[in-house]
Amino acid sequence: DAKTTQPPSMDCAEGRAANLPCNHSTISGNEYVYWYRQIHSQGPQYIIHGLKNNETNEMASLIITEDRKSSTLILPHATLRDTAVYYCPDGGGDSSYKLIFGSGTRLLVRP
Amino acid sequence: DSGVTQTPKHLITATGQRVTLRCSPRSGDLSVYWYQQSLDQGLQFLIQYYNGEERAKGNILERFSAQQFPDLHSELNLSSLELGDSALYFCASSVGTGRSYEQYFGPGTRLTVT
Repeated sequence: DAKTTQPPSMDCAEGRAANLPCNHSTISGNEYVYWYRQIHSQGPQYIIHGLKNNETNEMASLIITEDRKSSTLILPHATLRDTAVYYCPDGGGDSSYKLIFGSGTRLLVRP
Repeated sequence: DSGVTQTPKHLITATGQRVTLRCSPRSGDLSVYWYQQSLDQGLQFLIQYYNGEERAKGNILERFSAQQFPDLHSELNLSSLELGDSALYFCASSVGTGRSYEQYFGPGTRLTVT
C-alpha cells in the first residue's frame, strides 16, 4: 500500500501556479521524494525528485519540508496541457527502488 | 517521448490464452520495471530486473513471468489469461537501481481479455 497521501482532486486557472501537496510521513532518511504525472492513459511521466533540498527544473519546482514529512510540487504557470493525475509515489523502502503509487491528485486546469 | 518502447500497443485475446509483452529500455538503462494499471487497482508494481537478473517482485501472479535478455530488452509473459487481467501494462527503465535514479515509463500495452 502507498504510504503517501494526496488530495484526490484540485483545480487551478490557466496561467496561475498549481501547488500540489503530498504527505509522506513514513519516508526514511535516505529515500528520495519523487513526482510523476499521467495524462489520460499515457505512461507516467517523470517530473522531478529531491532528497532534502528544494529542486527546480524546466517542468516544476519541488519544495520539501525540513522534517521531510511533506512536499509540494509547484507548476509555476499551469497550462491546459498540465491537466493530469499527479503522483508522489512511495519508494518501497527496499533495495528494489520500485515505485508504489497511490491514487494521486487529479489536477484540472481551467481556461 | 521517454525513449522506452513497448510492443504491441494493443492486444486482444481470449481467456486461457498466453501473450508476451515486449519492452526496450532507454539506451544505457540497465534496470527494467513492469507495472500493471487496472481500473480498480491503480498502478501496481509487478517485477524488476537489473542487468539481466531479477531484483524484486511485487504483486505478480504465478501465471505471469518475465525475463531480461542480454541486450537488456525485457518480456512479460502472461498465461492462462483471465478477464481480470485486462489492464494497461507499463514498462519503465532507469540507469541504475539506486534510490536517486528516476524511472522513465513507456507508452504501455493495453491488454483486453475477452
